[in-house]
Amino acid sequence: SQTIHQWPATLVQPVGSPLSLECTVEGTSNPNLYWYRQAAGRGLQLLFYSVGIGQISSEVPQNLSASRPQDRQFILSSKKLLLSDSGFYLCAWSVASGGYNEQFFGPGTRLTVL
Amino acid sequence: GDSVTQMEGPVTLSEEAFLTINCTYTATGYPSLFWYVQYPGEGLQLLLKATKADDKGSNKGFEATYRKETTSFHLEKGSVQVSDSAVYFCALWGLGGGADGLTFGKGTHLIIQP
Repeated sequence: SQTIHQWPATLVQPVGSPLSLECTVEGTSNPNLYWYRQAAGRGLQLLFYSVGIGQISSEVPQNLSASRPQDRQFILSSKKLLLSDSGFYLCAWSVASGGYNEQFFGPGTRLTVL
Repeated sequence: GDSVTQMEGPVTLSEEAFLTINCTYTATGYPSLFWYVQYPGEGLQLLLKATKADDKGSNKGFEATYRKETTSFHLEKGSVQVSDSAVYFCALWGLGGGADGLTFGKGTHLIIQP
């Protein structure tokens, strides 16, 4: 069966520090991968998606970047965190095919920037 | 672009009460509609879905009907339990979204008291 892992579960970082959140998927090959964020008082917002190794698309301009160095690994990064980067970050995967495919979510990382 | 509006929470009910969480959407064409649930400490899980007008999605006693004329997908349950306490997200997948990215509402925190 497929599983998705995210770490860390919680993170407290000072403003200006770097960030690296990791997401890995097991039990499937060539998935579509996604990073979402839920900021306080706002809905889940799609940040990045990837349809293959090295292929990253960004939905909104921001202080963050994403990379996919391996087929089932998706990393969210920042060189210098801002207060506004605080939020709940969710990684998700889906089968790569045309049309809608159910997305499966990881447990999330709660990031607090102080 | 696509958007989802759902009622603000928290919604507090007594056990065995009737539940309605309203959700309306704006989208290009005919999107697929979803309700996701996030239990405390866990990631999002798909609760139910409907892919065309007048479809009714159902799962675990919850129901939602895709109403194209009112662009709505309200979540209902006849008798809630304490174990239903969670955050519920209405979402859509449509032509206005990036790749397979979902558009989410802000989430509704449901609290069921014994």
